[in-house]
Amino acid sequence: EPEVTQTPSHQVTQMGQEVILRCVPISNHLYFYWYRQILGQKVEFLVSFYNNEISEKSEIFDDQFSVERPDGSNFTLKIRSTKLEDSAMYFCASRGGAAATNEKLFFGSGTQLSVL
Amino acid sequence: DQQVKQNSPSLSVQEGRISILNCDYTNSMFDYFLWYKKYPAEGPTFLISISSIKDKNEDGRFTVFLNKSAKHLSLHIVPSQPGDSAVYFCAANRNQGGKLIFGQGTELSVKP
Repeated sequence: EPEVTQTPSHQVTQMGQEVILRCVPISNHLYFYWYRQILGQKVEFLVSFYNNEISEKSEIFDDQFSVERPDGSNFTLKIRSTKLEDSAMYFCASRGGAAATNEKLFFGSGTQLSVL
Repeated sequence: DQQVKQNSPSLSVQEGRISILNCDYTNSMFDYFLWYKKYPAEGPTFLISISSIKDKNEDGRFTVFLNKSAKHLSLHIVPSQPGDSAVYFCAANRNQGGKLIFGQGTELSVKP
């Protein structure tokens, strides 16, 4: 079964450093998402991306965050200057299209980001 | 902003018995509801969903019930198996294709 893949599985960085989290969504999907889960808390929406632009973003997704689809397969989340509170598991997700049968999101296994 | 709430952080059930996981929501505009299952160090995996035009959807051992007037849905697992032990997230969205709003999750433990 096709799957969303994320790299790296773990990323440790120093506060203030830039990090890029990478995702390869399912190949025929059109909608892409980033979510995060701080330890012990709920899975939180960060941003959705469609047709090469952000379609919606949350309050968490401030100017320190950006997303990009640099080619036909990768979808990246960049955090320009990491803060301690950015430490979380970051999940990439994708789904097919607008039809009701494509409502469910497929999630990757996540990247555990630790900011020291 | 807790539009989707799972008030029970954990649930323990004996193998073979029924597991009932509950979820409440506040936004009457939600029109699609999903349950995801999550194991440690893995991403959420889709389990079952229900549209707001239905009140029940069944898939094998899993049944989701939706009570729109009470803004409540539940997931029933019958019979429960040890492999069902995981965190279960309720999620909702509106306007077909919007972002998913997740509940806090309920950790289910099925004892042999």
